[in-house]
Amino acid sequence: KAGVTQTPRYLIKTRGQQVTLSCSPISGHRSVSWYQQTPGQGLQFLFEYFSETQRNKGNFPGRFSGRQFSNSRSEMNVSTLELGDSALYLCASSLASGATQYFGPGTRLLVL
Amino acid sequence: AQKITQTQPGMFVQEKEAVTLDCTYDTSDPSYGLFWYKQPSSGEMIFLIYQGSYDQQNATEGRYSLNFQKARKSANLVISASQLGDSAMYFCAMRLYVNTDKLIFGTGTRLQVFP
Repeated sequence: KAGVTQTPRYLIKTRGQQVTLSCSPISGHRSVSWYQQTPGQGLQFLFEYFSETQRNKGNFPGRFSGRQFSNSRSEMNVSTLELGDSALYLCASSLASGATQYFGPGTRLLVL
Repeated sequence: AQKITQTQPGMFVQEKEAVTLDCTYDTSDPSYGLFWYKQPSSGEMIFLIYQGSYDQQNATEGRYSLNFQKARKSANLVISASQLGDSAMYFCAMRLYVNTDKLIFGTGTRLQVFP
């Protein structure tokens, strides 16, 4: 069974631009969560989705948004990029709420 | 507030030796899960082992075991017979069972295995 896939793997943007990251969960998994990893702040929870509904959101500004589609694929969007948004963005999926989360390889975003 | 603490920024271990990575947690919730993930330099977080707060026995998965001491709120990872491929960052994480899958991570421990 294929693992969690994330596209693109690497991305370079400039300040003020917006970006959309995609995550395809493991087949059959309905829960998707997103995390931001930076050297300074470590791993921080962004949001989670289950059956197309956002269940929980981390402490991030409104520039960060996401959604989940009926096939469980998820996207996250960051508008008006700032230098501090440079990070590794990790997506994780789980079979159901409460099950173990499995992570994708991440998208490395660099904002110049 | 819930918190995970990993006090060892870096650890060294010789190949074939065992190593313990420390993790303490803080929560007042009685129902929670504790996880360990491995992150190689490639960036992907690899699930290693899980321990539920109500589990009576320590979890084991191959060379990985979790030393769960509930009263001390610790969940240390023990890697037996270290291999060069074990060199990576290791993160301890906690999840509360309150209608969320949100994981709270520690700051991680960088493990280096030398020949």
